[in-house]
Amino acid sequence: DAKTTQPPSMDCAEGRAANLPCNHSTISGNEYVYWYRQIHSQGPQYIIHGLKNNETNEMASLIITEDRKSSTLILPHATLRDTAVYYCIVSAASNFGNEKLTFGTGTRLTIIP
Amino acid sequence: SAVISQKPSRDICQRGTSLTIQCQVDSQVTMMFWYRQQPGQSLTLIATANQGSEATYESGFVIDKFPISRPNLTFSTLTVSNLSPEDSSIYLCSVDGQRGRAGANVLTFGAGSRLTVL
Repeated sequence: DAKTTQPPSMDCAEGRAANLPCNHSTISGNEYVYWYRQIHSQGPQYIIHGLKNNETNEMASLIITEDRKSSTLILPHATLRDTAVYYCIVSAASNFGNEKLTFGTGTRLTIIP
Repeated sequence: SAVISQKPSRDICQRGTSLTIQCQVDSQVTMMFWYRQQPGQSLTLIATANQGSEATYESGFVIDKFPISRPNLTFSTLTVSNLSPEDSSIYLCSVDGQRGRAGANVLTFGAGSRLTVL
């Protein structure tokens, strides 16, 4: 799986959009970009994933550059409950017996009141 | 998505003993994964557990230290054997609980089991 690079920490004011960047310059054509987050003392929570196109769901938006070498997770109106470690993961499409995800160090996002 | 129950949520054990962690899922799943999260660190995959076959271990993890059972499609156990203080971690179970678009590996995680070894 391709390696990802994320800033170790970020702050964002409550109510503002939080934009979390991720570099994955060695991504392959069949690899998805996934975002998970881990709130303190909880298991990781899936947020969103994408292959080529930008994606949006009830939690966030995912913007993937045209060359797919980087992406940005956007939390449109950050709240204090969004304080967490955010993991960007790149992984190939699932084949039976090869569905594991490799977590990097992530970005610790702190929402400031 | 699947709902996962892990037991125990936390435990304190003496060195040299073993701890077995249970993972129960509310639906049948093909793949179950066990992760370790050492204090202040990210998650590291220990092994993948398929029903009816031996678990597949990642580099650095061996069956003698981390035996895994997968008796059916909704349940798995991870045992951490011969405990030492270095085994103090959070152990998490996850499953491929959400099948979105074809080829997407979306995982659902349990809340984790926090182990402290004295």
